[in-house]
Parts: sequence; structure tokens; C-alpha cells
Amino acid sequence: KNQVEQSPQSLIILEGKNCTLQCNYTVSPFSNLRWYKQDTGRGPVSLTIMTFSENTKSNGRYTATLDADTKQSSLHITASQLSDSASYICVVWRDTDKLIFGTGTRLQVFP
Amino acid sequence: KAGVTQTPRYLIKTRGQQVTLSCSPISGHRSVSWYQQTPGQGLQFLFEYFSETQRNKGNFPGRFSGRQFSNSRSEMNVSTLELGDSALYLCASNSGSPTYNEQFFGPGTRLTVL
Repeated sequence: KNQVEQSPQSLIILEGKNCTLQCNYTVSPFSNLRWYKQDTGRGPVSLTIMTFSENTKSNGRYTATLDADTKQSSLHITASQLSDSASYICVVWRDTDKLIFGTGTRLQVFP
Repeated sequence: KAGVTQTPRYLIKTRGQQVTLSCSPISGHRSVSWYQQTPGQGLQFLFEYFSETQRNKGNFPGRFSGRQFSNSRSEMNVSTLELGDSALYLCASNSGSPTYNEQFFGPGTRLTVL
């Protein structure tokens, strides 16, 4: 069954700290994996897109990693800011143009 | 360049009614995809249109339909509304295939069915 599981479901950290969000998938065949940030009441914004052959991709303080062998991805946020408070969604695209969404991780950054 | 726009932003309907949502993609983008987002199910893919043709479809009942016009603007229609249709409806546009190109999301239309 094609699934994308994210952990933790929610996370609270203090401003300035680092954190890592996890995404495990069982989607096959695999085209690419994306991380999105969604602020409350707004549409998702793309953070990174990684294909099968890419291991790491960065976007400012956001760094995504991908291990295609173990079918795991992580999103690392460095030196968190209050504006990082949002939901982070992992999405895996199949080759057949079908996409599978994770349920997201709700991150709250407190001062 | 203007982003993806969706209208209306908020909508309240009653069971049994129908609703039409509109999405204007980024200029030059020919692909428009629609998604439903609910707290329980998360984001779910509804369908994708490219050059006025439905190219992909998710697992939603036939009450959910859409179309795309020659200027790439897209509309989504939901007939015989049910309480469970209450959700945030998002559209996203991209320049080609959403599989390989970055998608840009609109702010969404919040639909409440009473």
C-alpha cells in the first residue's frame, strides 16, 4: 500500500533551537519527494524537491535528506525562528503522476 | 508576477446545495491541480487539468467535477453538498507536469457546509 508517514505529529521547540522532522514512505514507483511548509489558513509553499538520485538539498535554514534505499527523508531546521511555526508536509510523487501526502508535522516555535 | 488566486476565500453553504470555486493560475502556467484539505484526512488530490483537459483524477465521487478554460483559469464544482465536504480547497499551478515541476499553491477557499 502506498503510504507516507510523518513523525512526530506535533513538535514544540524554543526559538534558536534545531529540529528534525521525519518522513517514511512506501510509495512505488518513486518519482520525487517534496517538503512543503503551510502556515495556518494559507496554501502550502514548496521548500525542497528531491529526485531518486539526490541525497541532500538545502533551502536557507531548511535541509532535506533522502535515503531511497530505506525510503526515509528528513527535514532539518537550523536555528529556528518564530516564523517557522507551521505545518510541514511531506509529499511523494509516483511516476504515474499520482501523489501521496503525509499528514504533516505541526511545529510550534516559542520565544 | 502575480501568484495563484482563488475566489471566493470563504463560503458557507447548506447540505444539498452546489458550489463553484474558481482558480486563476500564474500567468503562463497551463496546469492546474485541485486539492481538498481536512483536519482528519490531510491533503487529498482531486484532479489536474492541462490545456483544458483533465489529465489526472483522484479518488473522489462524481459530485466533484472541474473544468479549465482556454485562458487556463479553472473552476471546481461540488454538487449535492454534504457535511463532510467542509474543507479548505486548494488549487496549485505549474508550468508543465506537476510531477517534475514546482507547484505554486493559492491561498485556498474555505468551504463550510451547514
